[in-house]
Amino acid sequence: NAGVTQTPKFRVLKTGQSMTLLCAQDMNHEYMYWYRQDPGMGLRLIHYSVGEGTTAKGEVPDGYNVSRLKKQNFLLGLESAAPSQTSVYFCASSYSKVQGNYEQFFGPGTRLTVL
Amino acid sequence: EDKVVQSPLSLVVHEGDTVTLNCSYEVTNFRSLLWYKQEKKAPTFLFMLTSSGIEKKSGRLSSILDKKELFSILNITATQTGDSAVYLCAVGGRNAGGTSYGKLTFGQGTILTVHP
Repeated sequence: NAGVTQTPKFRVLKTGQSMTLLCAQDMNHEYMYWYRQDPGMGLRLIHYSVGEGTTAKGEVPDGYNVSRLKKQNFLLGLESAAPSQTSVYFCASSYSKVQGNYEQFFGPGTRLTVL
Repeated sequence: EDKVVQSPLSLVVHEGDTVTLNCSYEVTNFRSLLWYKQEKKAPTFLFMLTSSGIEKKSGRLSSILDKKELFSILNITATQTGDSAVYLCAVGGRNAGGTSYGKLTFGQGTILTVHP
């Protein structure tokens, strides 16, 4: 099992450009999450999904959109990037109906710089 | 709004020392508290503490949960340079409807540096 994978690993954008980050998991997890991590601030939840076709806002959703068209994939979009969105982005997944636990498994992260 | 505060924010020790990391929390309808270790990559899971499991141990690491005082500690004995990392504490609660969707609120993390 690959676990949780993210693409790309690094990206540099100019202000106003758009991009999509892709997260994929092969653990048949129901729930998926997007976080951003900034120095001294831990992990903050951007958006999350409790199943295919559903999404919900987290703590810091402004400037981001998400979609979950397939159970194994969760996409994070930036329509018009701003320097304040320079961060490391982590995707995570959790909850198997079979196992019934809520431990979150994380992807390797995407380092995004907006100039 | 759920809140998690970790202390200290950073800690420098020498190999062989014992360290205690603290995590205090406020959460609506507590469900679980998790500890993660983060080196220069993704957080990796250490422990999950719940109402039915308030003490966990794995090798040199151990953790306890005090639900009355709303805090947890992570102990690392006989530290090694490989223990150098950011340690993250996270709590999960339930909303008014009783569901949690596995959402976690993370603390700022404690940066542990272990010198040889």
